[in-house]
Amino acid sequence: AQSVTQPDIHITVSEGASLELRCNYSYGATPYLFWYVQSPGQGLQLLLKYFSGDTLVQGIKGFEAEFKRSQSSFNLRKPSVHWSDAAEYFCAVGAATGGGADGLTFGKGTHLIIQP
Amino acid sequence: GAGVSQSPSNKVTEKGKDVELRCDPISGHTALYWYRQSLGQGLEFLIYFQGNSAPDKSGLPSDRFSAERTGGSVSTLTIQRTQQEDSAVYLCASSLTVGSNLEQFFGPGTRLTVL
Repeated sequence: AQSVTQPDIHITVSEGASLELRCNYSYGATPYLFWYVQSPGQGLQLLLKYFSGDTLVQGIKGFEAEFKRSQSSFNLRKPSVHWSDAAEYFCAVGAATGGGADGLTFGKGTHLIIQP
Repeated sequence: GAGVSQSPSNKVTEKGKDVELRCDPISGHTALYWYRQSLGQGLEFLIYFQGNSAPDKSGLPSDRFSAERTGGSVSTLTIQRTQQEDSAVYLCASSLTVGSNLEQFFGPGTRLTVL
């Protein structure tokens, strides 16, 4: 079974500074990888996804993530954060079984705090 | 266009009562998913539907939980004889069809509090 680890429960970053949120996954084959963001009282919004091909993927709101197979990682980055980026961020993996949906397996989330 | 909607947004109930949570997926989406988000467990996948069929119910936490989908659209998640540990946010998502490579669009969730 797949699993996802987000080592940082909370991260505090100053506005305008760069950001990196860590995500490690465990899966026997090439997984489907996602980053979602959840603002207070809101559902989850997809930031970006990786299925195959270029290991650096671009997403919405200026986010990008890099898939590193050797490190089983899919870290999320942003060069300069804005106060509106304060939210909960979830990394998720989907089983590339090609058949029915097994649902996504999520990490525990990283709570991002932006300091003025 | 309309996204995934869920009702009610908040539900407070007494231990032992039954509750029904509703999900309206995006029109035309044949796949529908239920997740539970709680402080202790994070986001857990519960069940998915392809059309009106739920091939695997093993993710449901106990036999007090059941789900159905009718007309390939609206789904209800029913919790019988609620317990305090059922308190959580229940999220529904839909995607165009079944497939782990497809984006799932999430609703705002139903916050369930069992007193």
